[in-house]
Amino acid sequence: RKEVEQDPGPFNVPEGATVAFNCTYSNSASQSFFWYRQDCRKEPKLLMSVYSSGNEDGRFTAQLNRASQYISLLIRDSKLSDSATYLCVDRGAPSGGSYIPTFGRGTSLIVHP
Amino acid sequence: NAGVMQNPRHLVRRRGQEARLRCSPMKGHSHVYWYRQLPEEGLKFMVYLQKENIIDESGMPKERFSAEFPKEGPSILRIQQVVRGDSAAYFCASSRVSSTHQGTGELFFGEGSRLTVL
Repeated sequence: RKEVEQDPGPFNVPEGATVAFNCTYSNSASQSFFWYRQDCRKEPKLLMSVYSSGNEDGRFTAQLNRASQYISLLIRDSKLSDSATYLCVDRGAPSGGSYIPTFGRGTSLIVHP
Repeated sequence: NAGVMQNPRHLVRRRGQEARLRCSPMKGHSHVYWYRQLPEEGLKFMVYLQKENIIDESGMPKERFSAEFPKEGPSILRIQQVVRGDSAAYFCASSRVSSTHQGTGELFFGEGSRLTVL
């Protein structure tokens, strides 16, 4: 199965800092990507989709670089509540008529006062 | 608007027993995915089902594990003769879209079932 690679971290940053995570994917045919957030011992929740043109949602910006096959997530003005594990997800390309989303292992972010 | 419902939330089994995990997708969703997350690990795909059909089970161990999604009722992940290595969080996710349907294919996750094998 195709892979999604992330730096596990942890990234330890002060409140107000800007932090960026990268994620690489191996399936060159993949079209759709996501960033999910997972708090300790909780279920993953969608943070944002990643579009070819990039997208921004408040303090969060996601970018896709197809040539280099990586996705990035930028968090500005970090809050204590941003502390979590951020999962990069490759929706994949249809195989036999179905998509199988592949998750990276996640990047841990710790925001401290 | 109930989300994805999983039960039990916590399950303790002794080696050799059976574990049954249930998942009811969100209303209007007909696609169910099961993922396993070992401690300090990422989510690993196990199986993808639609109503009455297993679409892809390439991530599921060939022995002891089975899954179903009947016409009526929840999807069930069944683990027979559990071993300590089966201890993990099992997450179910549902999706509205299929491969032929336009959309982002976002997965909505249940809170997970945490299996502990003694």
